[in-house]
Amino acid sequence: NAGVTQTPKFRVLKTGQSMTLLCAQDMNHEYMYWYRQDPGMGLRLIHYSVGEGTTAKGEVPDGYNVSRLKKQNFLLGLESAAPSQTSVYFCASRSPLNTEAFFGQGTRLTVV
Amino acid sequence: LAKTTQPISMDSYEGQEVNITCSHNNIATNDYITWYQQFPSQGPRFIIQGYKTKVTNEVASLFIPADRKSSTLSLPRVSLSDTAVYYCLVGYDRGSTLGRLYFGRGTQLTVWP
Repeated sequence: NAGVTQTPKFRVLKTGQSMTLLCAQDMNHEYMYWYRQDPGMGLRLIHYSVGEGTTAKGEVPDGYNVSRLKKQNFLLGLESAAPSQTSVYFCASRSPLNTEAFFGQGTRLTVV
Repeated sequence: LAKTTQPISMDSYEGQEVNITCSHNNIATNDYITWYQQFPSQGPRFIIQGYKTKVTNEVASLFIPADRKSSTLSLPRVSLSDTAVYYCLVGYDRGSTLGRLYFGRGTQLTVWP
């Protein structure tokens, strides 16, 4: 049972480039999340989804877009990467009414 | 979601009991209290959840007073491997907060030899 899988694990982008981070879960969870983590800042919610075809903004959504076309996948897009988006990105999923979320292994993104 | 306040950092020594307290003065009637643990370079993992009184599992205990305005995560006899960030979350899926899961900065626990 793979749980939550993030692709890629590492990436270096040049300023202005675009990319998509993929999150896949095999637990049939309704809810999925994207977070970013910077030193000393804890986890900050970027976007989240409560079901296939739905997305919502979190605390720090600017500069990111998301899509949930399939229940098991949640994509995070950076249209024009900026150095301020250098961070570790975590994806998570959970069932409704259950606060136990399961996290991926993280993606370390560097924008130069 | 109820706002939570917890210490930024705590230090302890191996073998000691560690108590991390989280304040949540605006907790609502249906809100649950959940704690997560995060090791370096890993995503957080769920460790315990409670609604009132005391909950215990193989990892930790969670103490919740009657007014539920705070909660205390208790780690018995910590070891070096308990060095991690601990997050307190309060909420319940309903209405405009449906699905949200905010972690905040957490408490960095450092265990020394």
